[in-house]
Amino acid sequence: EPEVTQTPSHQVTQMGQEVILRCVPISNHLYFYWYRQILGQKVEFLVSFYNNEISEKSEIFDDQFSVERPDGSNFTLKIRSTKLEDSAMYFCASSEGWAGELFFGEGSRLTVL
Amino acid sequence: EDQVTQSPEALRLQEGESSSLNCSYTVSGLRGLFWYRQDPGKGPEFLFTLYSAGEEKEKERLKATLTKKESFLHITAPKPEDSATYLCAVQAQGAQKLVFGQGTRLTINP
Repeated sequence: EPEVTQTPSHQVTQMGQEVILRCVPISNHLYFYWYRQILGQKVEFLVSFYNNEISEKSEIFDDQFSVERPDGSNFTLKIRSTKLEDSAMYFCASSEGWAGELFFGEGSRLTVL
Repeated sequence: EDQVTQSPEALRLQEGESSSLNCSYTVSGLRGLFWYRQDPGKGPEFLFTLYSAGEEKEKERLKATLTKKESFLHITAPKPEDSATYLCAVQAQGAQKLVFGQGTRLTINP
């Protein structure tokens, strides 16, 4: 069964460092997303991406964040200068259409020290 | 602002003991309501989409229903493998983002 894959599964970084989280969405999907879940809190929307541009973003997704689809298969989330409060599980998701039937990856746990 | 509230926060049942989870929502024009299952340390797994009041969907021991203000996830004769956190999310008309609730942590004891 097709699945969304994410790397790394866990990353530990120092405050102020840049982090790149990588995702390979399901191959025939056209819409890509990043969500995050701080420990014990709700899953929160960060950004959606379609046709090589951001289609929607939340207030959380400020200038410290960026997304990119560098080739035909990868979708990345970059955090330029990490803060303690960026510590969370980051989920990549993809969907075939503009609908909520999202397929999520296993997540990348980011720990900022 | 779109909001989703789930209750109870946690529910412990004996195997075979049926129950329901609640999801109350406020949204500026509902496009769809979604149920996901999340196992510890994993990503949410899609279960159902409901689009309009009165709609019902079923999958194995789970049945989801929708009204204009809330959705219920009914679990019939649950098994230990049904233990997970169940998440409800809404999508507003014209939006792509899903707004999630806090989830209900369900534990089924053998």
